[in-house]
Amino acid sequence: AQSVTQPDIHITVSEGASLELRCNYSYGATPYLFWYVQSPGQGLQLLLKYFSGDTLVQGIKGFEAEFKRSQSSFNLRKPSVHWSDAAEYFCAVGPIYNQGGKLIFGQGTELSVKP
Amino acid sequence: EPEVTQTPSHQVTQMGQEVILRCVPISNHLYFYWYRQILGQKVEFLVSFYNNEISEKSEIFDDQFSVERPDGSNFTLKIRSTKLEDSAMYFCASSEGGSNTDTQYFGPGTRLTVL
Repeated sequence: AQSVTQPDIHITVSEGASLELRCNYSYGATPYLFWYVQSPGQGLQLLLKYFSGDTLVQGIKGFEAEFKRSQSSFNLRKPSVHWSDAAEYFCAVGPIYNQGGKLIFGQGTELSVKP
Repeated sequence: EPEVTQTPSHQVTQMGQEVILRCVPISNHLYFYWYRQILGQKVEFLVSFYNNEISEKSEIFDDQFSVERPDGSNFTLKIRSTKLEDSAMYFCASSEGGSNTDTQYFGPGTRLTVL
């Protein structure tokens, strides 16, 4: 069965420090992978997506993610975190088009940024 | 930039009452979705909708739930007789097409509290 695991429920980093949020997936075929961010009171905003090709993908707000098939991972990184990056981050796999296009989400990682 | 909107942002209801959650998808999008997130749990797929029909529904989406596109702009989720366990954040999403590479854009969510 398809699934996504985000092992870290809550992470705190200092402003200016680097960030890595972990995501592991289980998917029977070539996965389509996404990172979404949710700021308080906002919807889920797409940060970046991987469909094929270069395994290092660039997204908005200075984020990048690397697809590693051998590790079934799609970790999100940012070299220098800003206070405005404090939010909840969701990794997702899909859409699964023989199942109505659904995305399967991880549990989310809440990021706090210390001044 | 076009965005998905949802109303209300917060709904409080008594158990057994009917609620209707409203969404306005992005105007040229053809595929619509509802997801929900119970506090502390994963974002879960509920239903997808295309061409005025349900494409897929999850096991959560039982007879108490229904969706409708009553006009050219709104997409609604109705819960006929709410239960305590329906308390959750409900997200609407839309996508332009139905291919694997079509991004789903999410609204800010409606927090439903059932007392």
